[in-house]
Order: sequence, then C-alpha cells, then structure tokens
Amino acid sequence: AQKITQTQPGMFVQEKEAVTLDCTYDTSDQSYGLFWYKQPSSGEMIFLIYQGSYDEQNATEGRYSLNFQKARKSANLVISASQLGDSAMYFCAMNSGYSTLTFGKGTMLLVSP
Amino acid sequence: EPEVTQTPSHQVTQMGQEVILRCVPISNHLYFYWYRQILGQKVEFLVSFYNNEISEKSEIFDDQFSVERPDGSNFTLKIRSTKLEDSAMYFCASSEVLYNEQFFGPGTRLTVL
Repeated sequence: AQKITQTQPGMFVQEKEAVTLDCTYDTSDQSYGLFWYKQPSSGEMIFLIYQGSYDEQNATEGRYSLNFQKARKSANLVISASQLGDSAMYFCAMNSGYSTLTFGKGTMLLVSP
Repeated sequence: EPEVTQTPSHQVTQMGQEVILRCVPISNHLYFYWYRQILGQKVEFLVSFYNNEISEKSEIFDDQFSVERPDGSNFTLKIRSTKLEDSAMYFCASSEVLYNEQFFGPGTRLTVL
C-alpha cells in the first residue's frame, strides 16, 4: 500500500519569500511518481510538478521545485518568491504500481503582503 | 490549452435519486479517472478507465456507481441511488500516458439533501 503524509496543516509566508511544503511517502515499489497539486478556494485541482522515482535531477517548473530525497522518502515542494495568488491548499500525491493517485491531507498556504 | 471540462458545476439532488456527472477529457488522452473530495478532506480515488473498461476501482466505488464512455468524447459517472454521504466534489481527470501527470477538471459539487 502507498501512503502520503503531509504534516503541516497550515503554513504562513510573506510575499516574495520562499516556502517549503513537506511531503513524505511510503511505498514498497521501486518505480513511482510524485506529484504536487494546488487547490485554490475556487476548488479546482491544478497540476504543478511531477518527479519520477528514477529521475536523478530534482524537477523544476518556474517558481516551483521539488526537493526529492529518495533515501528519506521525501518530496518537498519549494515555492520561490511567493505571490499572493499562491495562497491555496497544496496536495502531495503519488502513484506506484497502479496509475491511481493517492493524496495527502494537504497543507493550506497563506501568503501575506 | 486543452483542458478537462465537467458539467454541471453544481448538482443538488434528493436522497435516492440518480445523478449523472459528465466529463470531457483532453482529446488525445487515453486514461480517465474519477476522484471525489468530501468537504475539508483529502481527494480520494474512485475509478480508472482505459480502453472502454474499468481498470481499477476503490472500495468506495460500489454497485451504486457506474462509469461509461458513451461516445468518443464524454466520460460519465452515474450514482444510481444517492445517499447523504455522497455529497462531495467529484473530479474527473485524464492522462495521456499511464503513470504520467493527471489533469483534473474543475469538479462538480454534488449536494444530496
């Protein structure tokens, strides 16, 4: 079975600062994918970034980067230069063995001016 | 940019009634999914669909649920006899390739009275 743990129910950051959202995972599979999604208050799920378990380099997409530490089974999301529009719920998810995504409980990020 | 669409955005129904939630996945995608999110909780997998048949389903996806791809573009989720606990946001998602990122639709908020 696979499991995603997000230990931070809420995070606060000031505009223009960087923030790290934690995610640890558990799986017995060697091949798996890790994902981050953003859910603003409007409710949609927006794909942010993907990391494959065999990718040697950390994934980056604009201001988002994924700090992948395989031995620690962690896949933290780093948002650089936070913007007010980054305020949202962030979900870490994974798939392994099957294509279906298993989600964590999410972290609510609030960006203040 | 292609996107997953879902209709309706909000559905209110009486307990025991049948509802059909509709999705149009991204056109060149082959894998389709339904997830649900009860208010304030994490996103949960319901069912995945490939090559006109269910490939995986969760324990939530019992006999009250069914999925169908009635034509080349639509993908539907039917709940035969709704219960109060079916009230949730239902997300459709699609992916081009197995294990790759899944793109979510905006969701249908189902309210069962």
